Amino acid sequence: AQSVTQLDSQVPVFEEAPVELRCNYSSSVSVYLFWYVQYPNQGLQLLLKYLSGSTLVESINGFEAEFNKSQTSFHLRKPSVHISDTAEYFCAVSDGSSYKLIFGSGTRLLVRP
Amino acid sequence: EPEVTQTPSHQVTQMGQEVILRCVPISNHLYFYWYRQILGQKVEFLVSFYNNEISEKSEIFDDQFSVERPDGSNFTLKIRSTKLEDSAMYFCASSGLAGEKTQYFGPGTRLLVL
Repeated sequence: AQSVTQLDSQVPVFEEAPVELRCNYSSSVSVYLFWYVQYPNQGLQLLLKYLSGSTLVESINGFEAEFNKSQTSFHLRKPSVHISDTAEYFCAVSDGSSYKLIFGSGTRLLVRP
Repeated sequence: EPEVTQTPSHQVTQMGQEVILRCVPISNHLYFYWYRQILGQKVEFLVSFYNNEISEKSEIFDDQFSVERPDGSNFTLKIRSTKLEDSAMYFCASSGLAGEKTQYFGPGTRLLVL
């Protein structure tokens, strides 16, 4: 069965520093990968996705993620974080046989001034 | 920008009572989902719904749960006899055309069973 691992439960970082949130998934023939963000007391918002094509995908607010098939990873990066990026970030995967999303346990990004 | 909406935002109920959680998916979407997130745990898939029937469900989605699309806009999750362990945030999601994998989530309903 498909699974997603987010090794870091919490990542503290200073404002304007770079950050990487790690996500690994179990191998599958074809996968579709997503990052969702959950701000405090809010729902899940789609941040970015990989469906096919270029392995590097970007969001409108400066985040990017790279699909690495050989390492079964889809790490999320941002070169310079803001206080407003403080949130919980969830990696999710769907495979070709199902429409359901399998979520990782989430990583809480805490940006400090 | 179209979005998924959910009502109520919070619901408190007594154990054994029935609850209905409501969702209005994005208007031209065809696939509908319910997920839940128990406090401090992962977001878990409950059920997917397409063409007026359940297309997939998880082990969590037992006989106490049901889903319905009573009209052209609403999508509901009913829990017949709530248990303490049903306390969670329940998220509705929808996606568009056949093969479209991107799901858009509502803000959630926080259910507390006492």
